[in-house]
Amino acid sequence: SQQGEEDPQALSIQEGENATMNCSYKTSINNLQWYRQNSGRGLVHLILIRSNEREKHSGRLRVTLDTSKKSSSLLITASRAADTASYFCATAPFRTGANNLFFGTGTRLTVIP
Amino acid sequence: SQTIHQWPATLVQPVGSPLSLECTVEGTSNPNLYWYRQAAGRGLQLLFYSVGIGQISSEVPQNLSASRPQDRQFILSSKKLLLSDSGFYLCAWSVPTGSYTFGSGTRLTVV
Repeated sequence: SQQGEEDPQALSIQEGENATMNCSYKTSINNLQWYRQNSGRGLVHLILIRSNEREKHSGRLRVTLDTSKKSSSLLITASRAADTASYFCATAPFRTGANNLFFGTGTRLTVIP
Repeated sequence: SQTIHQWPATLVQPVGSPLSLECTVEGTSNPNLYWYRQAAGRGLQLLFYSVGIGQISSEVPQNLSASRPQDRQFILSSKKLLLSDSGFYLCAWSVPTGSYTFGSGTRLTVV
Protein backbone atom coordinates (compact mmCIF):
# COMPACT_ATOMS: atom_id res chain seq x y z
CA SER A 1 0.00 0.00 0.00
CA GLN A 2 1.15 3.52 -0.71
CA GLN A 3 -0.69 4.90 2.28
CA GLY A 4 1.06 6.31 5.28
CA GLU A 5 0.36 5.02 8.74
CA GLU A 6 -0.02 7.29 11.74
CA ASP A 7 0.99 6.44 15.25
CA PRO A 8 -0.62 6.53 17.74
CA GLN A 9 -4.16 5.92 16.54
CA ALA A 10 -5.49 7.95 19.45
CA LEU A 11 -3.88 10.45 21.82
CA SER A 12 -5.36 12.20 24.83
CA ILE A 13 -3.51 15.05 26.55
CA GLN A 14 -4.13 17.95 28.90
CA GLU A 15 -4.43 21.46 27.57
CA GLY A 16 -1.01 23.13 27.47
CA GLU A 17 0.90 19.90 26.84
CA ASN A 18 2.61 19.09 23.57
CA ALA A 19 1.23 16.49 21.18
CA THR A 20 3.42 14.42 18.90
CA MET A 21 2.10 12.29 16.07
CA ASN A 22 4.17 10.10 13.80
CA CYS A 23 3.73 8.93 10.25
CA SER A 24 5.52 6.19 8.34
CA TYR A 25 5.29 5.55 4.62
CA LYS A 26 6.67 3.11 2.09
CA THR A 27 7.49 4.78 -1.24
CA SER A 28 9.75 7.61 -2.38
CA ILE A 29 7.86 10.88 -2.20
CA ASN A 30 7.73 14.36 -3.71
CA ASN A 31 6.27 15.79 -0.55
CA LEU A 32 4.42 14.89 2.61
CA GLN A 33 1.48 16.83 3.93
CA TRP A 34 -0.44 16.99 7.20
CA TYR A 35 -4.15 17.64 7.38
CA ARG A 36 -6.64 18.15 10.16
CA GLN A 37 -10.26 16.99 10.19
CA ASN A 38 -12.89 18.00 12.67
CA SER A 39 -15.57 15.38 13.15
CA GLY A 40 -17.83 15.05 10.11
CA ARG A 41 -16.09 17.82 8.19
CA GLY A 42 -13.71 18.18 5.29
CA LEU A 43 -9.96 18.14 5.73
CA VAL A 44 -7.94 21.29 6.22
CA HIS A 45 -4.36 21.53 5.03
CA LEU A 46 -1.86 22.30 7.79
CA ILE A 47 1.61 22.04 6.36
CA LEU A 48 3.53 20.64 3.37
CA ILE A 49 7.13 19.50 3.59
CA ARG A 50 9.08 18.65 0.46
CA SER A 51 11.37 15.67 0.15
CA ASN A 52 14.48 17.88 0.28
CA GLU A 53 13.38 19.57 3.52
CA ARG A 54 13.99 18.20 7.01
CA GLU A 55 11.96 20.50 9.21
CA LYS A 56 9.23 23.07 8.83
CA HIS A 57 7.36 25.33 11.24
CA SER A 58 4.00 27.02 11.09
CA GLY A 59 2.80 28.74 14.23
CA ARG A 60 2.52 26.07 16.95
CA LEU A 61 3.15 23.29 14.43
CA ARG A 62 6.50 21.68 13.77
CA VAL A 63 6.92 18.98 11.15
CA THR A 64 10.01 16.88 10.59
CA LEU A 65 10.78 14.56 7.71
CA ASP A 66 13.35 11.76 7.61
CA THR A 67 13.38 10.32 4.09
CA SER A 68 15.98 7.71 5.01
CA LYS A 69 13.57 6.26 7.58
CA LYS A 70 10.49 7.15 5.53
CA SER A 71 8.93 8.84 8.50
CA SER A 72 7.55 12.19 9.59
CA SER A 73 6.34 13.69 12.82
CA LEU A 74 3.90 16.47 13.65
CA LEU A 75 4.37 18.33 16.90
CA ILE A 76 1.69 20.63 18.24
CA THR A 77 3.03 22.76 21.07
CA ALA A 78 1.00 24.27 23.91
CA SER A 79 -2.12 22.40 22.86
CA ARG A 80 -5.59 23.89 23.19
CA ALA A 81 -9.02 22.28 23.45
CA ALA A 82 -9.72 23.58 19.95
CA ASP A 83 -6.91 21.36 18.62
CA THR A 84 -9.13 18.33 19.26
CA ALA A 85 -9.50 16.68 15.85
CA SER A 86 -8.14 13.87 13.69
CA TYR A 87 -4.79 14.45 12.04
CA PHE A 88 -3.75 12.75 8.82
CA CYS A 89 -0.48 12.53 6.99
CA ALA A 90 -0.59 12.20 3.23
CA THR A 91 2.17 11.34 0.82
CA ALA A 92 2.60 12.34 -2.80
CA PRO A 93 4.52 9.44 -4.35
CA PHE A 94 7.46 10.43 -6.49
CA ARG A 95 6.13 8.74 -9.62
CA THR A 96 2.69 10.31 -9.69
CA GLY A 97 2.31 13.16 -12.16
CA ALA A 98 -1.17 14.06 -10.99
CA ASN A 99 -0.02 14.92 -7.48
CA ASN A 100 -2.20 12.17 -6.03
CA LEU A 101 -2.13 12.05 -2.26
CA PHE A 102 -2.42 8.87 -0.26
CA PHE A 103 -3.70 9.27 3.26
CA GLY A 104 -3.08 7.32 6.42
CA THR A 105 -5.79 6.28 8.85
CA GLY A 106 -5.16 9.24 11.13
CA THR A 107 -4.48 10.04 14.76
CA ARG A 108 -7.45 11.08 16.87
CA LEU A 109 -6.24 13.83 19.23
CA THR A 110 -8.28 14.82 22.27
CA VAL A 111 -7.14 17.84 24.26
CA ILE A 112 -8.74 17.97 27.68
CA PRO A 113 -9.43 21.47 29.04
CA SER B 1 -10.02 33.58 -3.79
CA GLN B 2 -10.42 29.92 -4.53
CA THR B 3 -13.39 28.05 -3.12
CA ILE B 4 -14.82 24.61 -3.54
CA HIS B 5 -18.47 23.68 -3.26
CA GLN B 6 -19.75 20.19 -2.66
CA TRP B 7 -23.35 19.12 -2.30
CA PRO B 8 -25.50 17.76 -0.87
CA ALA B 9 -24.17 17.58 2.69
CA THR B 10 -26.15 14.45 3.53
CA LEU B 11 -27.96 11.93 1.41
CA VAL B 12 -29.97 8.81 2.18
CA GLN B 13 -30.60 6.59 -0.82
CA PRO B 14 -32.13 3.13 -1.23
CA VAL B 15 -30.11 0.24 -2.60
CA GLY B 16 -30.31 0.13 -6.38
CA SER B 17 -31.03 3.83 -6.81
CA PRO B 18 -28.76 6.14 -8.87
CA LEU B 19 -26.34 8.64 -7.40
CA SER B 20 -25.01 11.99 -8.50
CA LEU B 21 -22.72 14.09 -6.33
CA GLU B 22 -21.44 17.37 -7.67
CA CYS B 23 -18.38 19.41 -6.88
CA THR B 24 -17.46 22.81 -8.33
CA VAL B 25 -14.37 24.94 -7.91
CA GLU B 26 -14.14 28.70 -8.19
CA GLY B 27 -11.20 31.02 -8.57
CA THR B 28 -8.75 28.77 -10.36
CA SER B 29 -8.28 27.30 -13.82
CA ASN B 30 -7.37 23.76 -14.85
CA PRO B 31 -7.17 22.36 -11.33
CA ASN B 32 -6.48 18.74 -10.56
CA LEU B 33 -9.70 17.32 -9.12
CA TYR B 34 -10.19 14.35 -6.81
CA TRP B 35 -12.89 12.22 -5.25
CA TYR B 36 -12.11 10.43 -1.99
CA ARG B 37 -14.21 8.17 0.21
CA GLN B 38 -13.79 7.88 3.95
CA ALA B 39 -15.28 4.95 5.83
CA ALA B 40 -16.28 5.58 9.45
CA GLY B 41 -13.20 6.14 11.61
CA ARG B 42 -10.86 5.39 8.75
CA GLY B 43 -8.50 7.16 6.39
CA LEU B 44 -9.29 8.45 2.94
CA GLN B 45 -9.35 6.25 -0.12
CA LEU B 46 -8.68 7.89 -3.47
CA LEU B 47 -11.45 6.96 -5.92
CA PHE B 48 -10.90 9.15 -8.99
CA TYR B 49 -8.70 11.96 -10.13
CA SER B 50 -8.75 14.25 -13.15
CA VAL B 51 -6.07 16.48 -14.65
CA GLY B 52 -8.34 18.02 -17.29
CA ILE B 53 -11.76 18.08 -18.93
CA GLY B 54 -12.86 14.59 -19.88
CA GLN B 55 -9.73 13.03 -18.34
CA ILE B 56 -10.65 10.63 -15.55
CA SER B 57 -8.45 8.08 -13.85
CA SER B 58 -9.68 5.50 -11.37
CA GLU B 59 -7.60 4.22 -8.50
CA VAL B 60 -9.83 1.34 -7.45
CA PRO B 61 -12.41 -0.78 -9.26
CA GLN B 62 -15.87 -0.11 -7.93
CA ASN B 63 -19.49 0.58 -8.52
CA LEU B 64 -18.89 4.29 -9.10
CA SER B 65 -17.89 6.49 -12.02
CA ALA B 66 -16.74 10.06 -12.37
CA SER B 67 -17.01 12.73 -15.04
CA ARG B 68 -15.57 16.18 -15.62
CA PRO B 69 -17.85 17.92 -18.12
CA GLN B 70 -16.36 21.36 -17.43
CA ASP B 71 -12.98 22.57 -16.22
CA ARG B 72 -14.14 23.25 -12.67
CA GLN B 73 -16.91 20.65 -12.31
CA PHE B 74 -16.41 17.11 -11.06
CA ILE B 75 -19.28 14.64 -10.74
CA LEU B 76 -19.40 11.30 -8.94
CA SER B 77 -22.10 8.91 -10.14
CA SER B 78 -23.52 5.47 -9.78
CA LYS B 79 -26.24 3.74 -11.75
CA LYS B 80 -27.20 1.40 -8.89
CA LEU B 81 -26.04 1.98 -5.34
CA LEU B 82 -24.88 -0.84 -3.10
CA LEU B 83 -24.92 -0.92 0.69
CA SER B 84 -21.12 -0.87 0.60
CA ASP B 85 -21.20 2.53 -1.13
CA SER B 86 -22.14 4.19 2.16
CA GLY B 87 -19.52 6.56 3.44
CA PHE B 88 -18.27 10.11 3.57
CA TYR B 89 -17.34 11.42 0.13
CA LEU B 90 -14.92 14.27 -0.24
CA CYS B 91 -14.05 16.31 -3.30
CA ALA B 92 -10.76 18.19 -3.48
CA TRP B 93 -8.69 20.27 -5.87
CA SER B 94 -5.02 21.08 -6.14
CA VAL B 95 -2.40 22.54 -8.42
CA PRO B 96 0.43 20.16 -9.39
CA THR B 97 2.75 19.42 -6.43
CA GLY B 98 0.61 21.57 -4.16
CA SER B 99 -1.64 21.09 -1.19
CA TYR B 100 -5.26 20.02 -1.47
CA THR B 101 -8.33 22.07 -0.71
CA PHE B 102 -11.23 19.88 0.33
CA GLY B 103 -14.94 20.39 0.11
CA SER B 104 -17.11 19.95 3.18
CA GLY B 105 -18.08 16.41 2.22
CA THR B 106 -21.24 14.42 1.56
CA ARG B 107 -22.43 11.82 4.07
CA LEU B 108 -24.05 9.07 1.96
CA THR B 109 -26.12 6.38 3.64
CA VAL B 110 -27.43 3.59 1.44
CA VAL B 111 -30.39 1.80 3.01
